[in-house]
Amino acid sequence: DQQVKQNSPSLSVQEGRISILNCDYTNSMFDYFLWYKKYPAEGPTFLISISSIKDKNEDGRFTVFLNKSAKHLSLHIVPSQPGDSAVYFCAASAMGSNYKLTFGKGTLLTVNP
Amino acid sequence: EAEVAQSPRYKITEKSQAVAFWCDPISGHATLYWYRQILGQGPELLVQFQDESVVDDSQLPKDRFSAERLKGVDSTLKIQPAELGDSAMYLCASSLDLEGNYGYTFGSGTRLTVV
Repeated sequence: DQQVKQNSPSLSVQEGRISILNCDYTNSMFDYFLWYKKYPAEGPTFLISISSIKDKNEDGRFTVFLNKSAKHLSLHIVPSQPGDSAVYFCAASAMGSNYKLTFGKGTLLTVNP
Repeated sequence: EAEVAQSPRYKITEKSQAVAFWCDPISGHATLYWYRQILGQGPELLVQFQDESVVDDSQLPKDRFSAERLKGVDSTLKIQPAELGDSAMYLCASSLDLEGNYGYTFGSGTRLTVV
């Protein structure tokens, strides 16, 4: 049973436009959420995170929004750049789970010049 | 910038053979994780260490997989015997402590192909 779902396997956007990557979760015990970026043949790189006590966190071009009632979070990248092309993983953790991360399947973002 | 070192980067092995992966976490990081990422899936935790102790190995197939972190520093993950379904990327990550560094640092991984 997938507790973290990324329902879009891929997304293609034009350079300079906004990229919106979505993630849904089912486990109401999750209280911390993270986004990772992964290039082929490399390990995931941490991008941005958000605690369940917040509904928005911003870091430069990256903003994560959390809607707890809908069990939904999204990552906004503005403006998108070709170097942002990668697989993006949503991950979640629950207090008391020893901070184990549960990942979604990932979304391949392609930013076209 | 400090890195999590993993070796080898790539490994091809025949089914039923033994294979081992090595990970050296960032110096001072007490917590070490081994994740497995099957193509098209997200990473899944296999085992988590706090210093030399196993914190979580509930998803580790213990009939064929073993992991150790004898001195609480580097770690080895072993598969014996390897099966075709073990083909995946094996990722090591480390963090400063159980409560810290949610953005824990991943290594570049070992890509295992079992033929």
